[in-house]
Amino acid sequence: GQQLNQSPQSMFIQEGEDVSMNCTSSSIFNTWLWYKQDPGEGPVLLIALYKAGELTSNGRLTAQFGITRKDSFLNISASIPSDVGIYFCAGPPSGGSYIPTFGRGTSLIVHP
Amino acid sequence: GAVVSQHPSRVICKSGTSVKIECRSLDFQATTMFWYRQFPKQSLMLMATSNEGSKATYEQGVEKDKFLINHASLTLSTLTVTSAHPEDSSFYICSAENGGTGELFFGEGSRLTVL
Repeated sequence: GQQLNQSPQSMFIQEGEDVSMNCTSSSIFNTWLWYKQDPGEGPVLLIALYKAGELTSNGRLTAQFGITRKDSFLNISASIPSDVGIYFCAGPPSGGSYIPTFGRGTSLIVHP
Repeated sequence: GAVVSQHPSRVICKSGTSVKIECRSLDFQATTMFWYRQFPKQSLMLMATSNEGSKATYEQGVEKDKFLINHASLTLSTLTVTSAHPEDSSFYICSAENGGTGELFFGEGSRLTVL
């Protein structure tokens, strides 16, 4: 089946530091979605990317759709304690299916 | 963004009973909804795709008679865990795709504990 490799698996950083995580796929994606999940809650959509090369920001978050359409990264600048959570990349692979594949998640811990 | 509501958020039941979880799209119509299961510190595992007015499509290894899915309207899908056992205890999450954008919006999740 479709595989999404998300890294790193976890990150422990100091408040104020920048964070970068990425996802790579073995095949082409039409859309890249980045989500954040807090404990005991459903994932919340942060950024959606639709075109190769697209760079989109949402506050301190920036994500890019890779040129090859097989990868995407998410950056968080000047991290704060409330950034703690699990970040997932996801997307429907090309081929007409809307069924998304999810990365394994990146667990972010921010120390005050 | 679009709003998806899931109910109940927490449920505790005895082994052998059935539990129904509802997933509603509040401000859009969803012809397709997805049901996921999530174990602690793991990613979301797709269980089934719920199609309005037709049978759900189950992923390999998911028992359709165990996890009954009904998508009777464009705003409501239900997941019924039948004859629940402790190993069915998990976090169940639904999502819906909004209007052909490819963007998925998730419910708040339902924590099922089977005693």
